[in-house]
Amino acid sequence: GAGVSQSPSNKVTEKGKDVELRCDPISGHTALYWYRQSLGQGLEFLIYFQGNSAPDKSGLPSDRFSAERTGGSVSTLTIQRTQQEDSAVYLCASSTRNGGETQYFGPGTRLLVL
Amino acid sequence: GESVGLHLPTLSVQEGDNSIINCAYSNSASDYFIWYKQESGKGPQFIIDIRSNMDKRQGQRVTVLLNKTVKHLSLQIAATQPGDSAVYFCAEIAGGATNKLIFGTGTLLAVQP
Repeated sequence: GAGVSQSPSNKVTEKGKDVELRCDPISGHTALYWYRQSLGQGLEFLIYFQGNSAPDKSGLPSDRFSAERTGGSVSTLTIQRTQQEDSAVYLCASSTRNGGETQYFGPGTRLLVL
Repeated sequence: GESVGLHLPTLSVQEGDNSIINCAYSNSASDYFIWYKQESGKGPQFIIDIRSNMDKRQGQRVTVLLNKTVKHLSLQIAATQPGDSAVYFCAEIAGGATNKLIFGTGTLLAVQP
């Protein structure tokens, strides 16, 4: 079946602009995660959604970052007033439920802030 | 291409040899561990997982070993192939409400033909 999809695959923006990144999780997966991967680094947790529960935002690096998940499916990660240090690959993952289940990743969005 | 491997430990092996990739994890309370493979320009791909009540698990050409005493994981790949060339990450889940993955920094596996 279809995996996790993300769009756009690449985004180039100017410093100070806002960007929106989209994630479509695997159908039926109730848990959705956003991670960030900077060049040469491992993945850094950003935010987690599970069903209708309040999201865990503990990984968001600043208040310029926010995310929504509408209807328990598609999620949008928004970065306001982008900075050059925001340049990274933003990865989305989904899993069947909370509880140590395997997370399946999308291909990522490569963000470059000039 | 991506230069993700510039700062990563690198393991270089000959095609057909066995590979062993090691990982130290940080949290003794972690109860679930996953190995991911990440090829250039792609998201991480699940390889194999293991729970803390096990010390070994085998898949197709891959074996994961868990040593809880020294908080160490290893991934063994048998008969390594050029298609195995990628960055390999171990990840742990420490439990709690979120079960977020905590990733290691990764190892670049380079398979020489």
